[in-house]
Amino acid sequence: EVQLVQSGAEVKKPGESLKISCKGSGYSFTSYWIGWVRQMPGKGLEWMGIIYPGDSDTRYSPSFQGQVTISADKSISTAYLQWSSLKASDTAMYYCARHRSEQIDYWGQGTLVTVSS
Amino acid sequence: SSELTQDPAVSVALGQTVRITCQGDSLRSYYASWYQQKPGQAPVLVIYGKNNRPSGIPDRFSGSSSGNTASLTITGAQAEDEADYYCNSRDSSGNWVFGGGTKLTVL
Repeated sequence: EVQLVQSGAEVKKPGESLKISCKGSGYSFTSYWIGWVRQMPGKGLEWMGIIYPGDSDTRYSPSFQGQVTISADKSISTAYLQWSSLKASDTAMYYCARHRSEQIDYWGQGTLVTVSS
Repeated sequence: SSELTQDPAVSVALGQTVRITCQGDSLRSYYASWYQQKPGQAPVLVIYGKNNRPSGIPDRFSGSSSGNTASLTITGAQAEDEADYYCNSRDSSGNWVFGGGTKLTVL
């Protein structure tokens, strides 16, 4: 059974750094793109970017390029999303999701990130 | 970049048929996929490709496409279909994009 299990909710202050994780299981982690999707409170889904764990090829939405870093450690089947300096506007639910050719077929349960002073 | 446009809200009477649409230039080159999201839950894939349903998705859900418009049709809508629906596709740069979402109300 394919599963994407994300790390737990985080509460941070503006300016702090953060790295959240997504562990894949039940499939060949290095053979599928895995990406991140943001959902701000009461808003829609926003595609942030993806990584191919097999060779670490990474692509970002222009809206998120330079704002976040996506990485992966294939030895432990885990993808990451990180911020170097959080802003209040980063408060959102973040989902990791496995990408196939033209669809996103599996989603993690979401990680709620709250940034507040 | 590419954009996908959806109507913000649609309603349907219980047992009737509803179509949710998604428009965008990228849909001339790529199929849309459709996701259902209920409050407090992660999205779930309901339609992908030309008209494919993942295992476990009822056959009342179907998809179609014409030109720059993709459609998700629910034939015989049920109360449990009330949710937000999002379309998604690739774009010419190799990235992905979501529509703004459609809130479906089942009356």
